[in-house]
Amino acid sequence: DAGVIQSPRHEVTEMGQEVTLRCKPISGHNSLFWYRQTMMRGLELLIYFNNNVPIDDSGMPEDRFSAKMPNASFSTLKIQPSEPRDSAVYFCASSLSSGSSYNEQFFGPGTRLTVL
Amino acid sequence: AQSVTQPDIHITVSEGASLELRCNYSYGATPYLFWYVQSPGQGLQLLLKYFSGDTLVQGIKGFEAEFKRSQSSFNLRKPSVHWSDAAEYFCAVGAGGTYKYIFGTGTRLKVLA
Repeated sequence: DAGVIQSPRHEVTEMGQEVTLRCKPISGHNSLFWYRQTMMRGLELLIYFNNNVPIDDSGMPEDRFSAKMPNASFSTLKIQPSEPRDSAVYFCASSLSSGSSYNEQFFGPGTRLTVL
Repeated sequence: AQSVTQPDIHITVSEGASLELRCNYSYGATPYLFWYVQSPGQGLQLLLKYFSGDTLVQGIKGFEAEFKRSQSSFNLRKPSVHWSDAAEYFCAVGAGGTYKYIFGTGTRLKVLA
C-alpha cells in the first residue's frame, strides 16, 4: 500500500503567485482531509470531502484558498494569490468513513510551503 | 468549548527509561480521545484511541494510555523508550461529526542514547 501521496514535498514561491498542492488518497478511502500545520496555530482542518463532495470547508481561511476533488483518487488545494503568512506544512489525509464513528485518518508526508 | 492541553512542549528521556506524556482535555460529553505520533518529515500516525469501555487502552509500538474522567486526562505511557520513539506526539479529542479533531500543541520527545 503506497499510503497517501502528496506532491510536491517542498514548494518555494513568491508572494502573489498561485500555488497548487496535490494529493492522492489511499485507494478505497471515501474521505479526504486537508490540514495546515504552523507553529502558531498548530494543526488545523481546512476542508473535509466525503465521496468527493466538500462537506465542511469552515476551516478554509479565506477566498484565496480553494480545494477540489474531481474524482476519488485526486484532490488539489490551491492558493491564489499566495502570501507569506500562508507558509506552513500542508497535510492531506484520507480515511474509510462509516459515518457512525471516528475512523483512523491516514496522513501523507505533507508539503512544506514557503512564500517569500 | 472543547480544548486539548499538552503541558509539556519538550521532554527528554534516556533510552530504556519510562515515559509519560500528559494530555488534558475539556469536553462536555464522553470524549473520543486519540494519540498521534509525527516522526520528522512525516505525517501523523495513529498510536491509539479511546471511545468507551476499558479506560486503559493499548496501542501500537508498545504505547498505552489511560483515560481518567475525574482528572480530564488521557496520558500516554511507555515502559521503556527506544531511540526510534523520538518524535512529536499529539493528543486529540474528537470534536464532532465523526471526523473533526481538536489537536493539542504537541510534545516533542528527545531520546538520549
